[in-house]
Amino acid sequence: DSGVTQTPKHLITATGQRVTLRCSPRSGDLSVYWYQQSLDQGLQFLIQYYNGEERAKGNILERFSAQQFPDLHSELNLSSLELGDSALYFCASSVGGVGGEQFFGPGTRLTVL
Amino acid sequence: AQTVTQSQPEMSVQEAETVTLSCTYDTSESDYYLFWYKQPPSRQMILVIRQEAYKQQNATENRFSVNFQKAAKSFSLKISDSQLGDAAMYFCAYRSEQGAQKLVFGQGTRLTINP
Repeated sequence: DSGVTQTPKHLITATGQRVTLRCSPRSGDLSVYWYQQSLDQGLQFLIQYYNGEERAKGNILERFSAQQFPDLHSELNLSSLELGDSALYFCASSVGGVGGEQFFGPGTRLTVL
Repeated sequence: AQTVTQSQPEMSVQEAETVTLSCTYDTSESDYYLFWYKQPPSRQMILVIRQEAYKQQNATENRFSVNFQKAAKSFSLKISDSQLGDAAMYFCAYRSEQGAQKLVFGQGTRLTINP
């Protein structure tokens, strides 16, 4: 158990819908990262937050957005869902320092039908 | 931009034998970190081993060790005394020391352990 929690574990929805994925980092970690794992794109970095502020952006679609709240939990919002958005979405957290390890949550499996 | 390449989509090894997984990367940076992550069927991403680029000594964690060749930009993982529980996808990953702390992953190698 990494100490990072993600909810829900599984999510099945239809095209065009909107969903919210939630992540709670390890106690004391200030940085949260979101990654997408799909069959065709592999593991890709989406976005990073540090202590409530966006720190870095990767290949995140405009239909996707994220935020980190004062209690440091983070949410990833996916809207206007397409079949290709079906993937495993991971959240990872770290203390935020240069050498900080990233610890991964169990992931949320999103299926878009 | 940094890239990570794992040229072996699949590997297999007999239980108790040794196997080496390959990884190469491309970067213009001099300071960075390299990692091997394991993803078993449960899909959990588990850190296996890390290597700081400034360290010449290869990292070792129990049965897992790396061969880090900075000039060749190569970072292979050696698993000794393979066990059935080692069966998983293995991902090589790169992280810059400066700037964005994102992990850049390779495509993965699926390791099968034959009893």
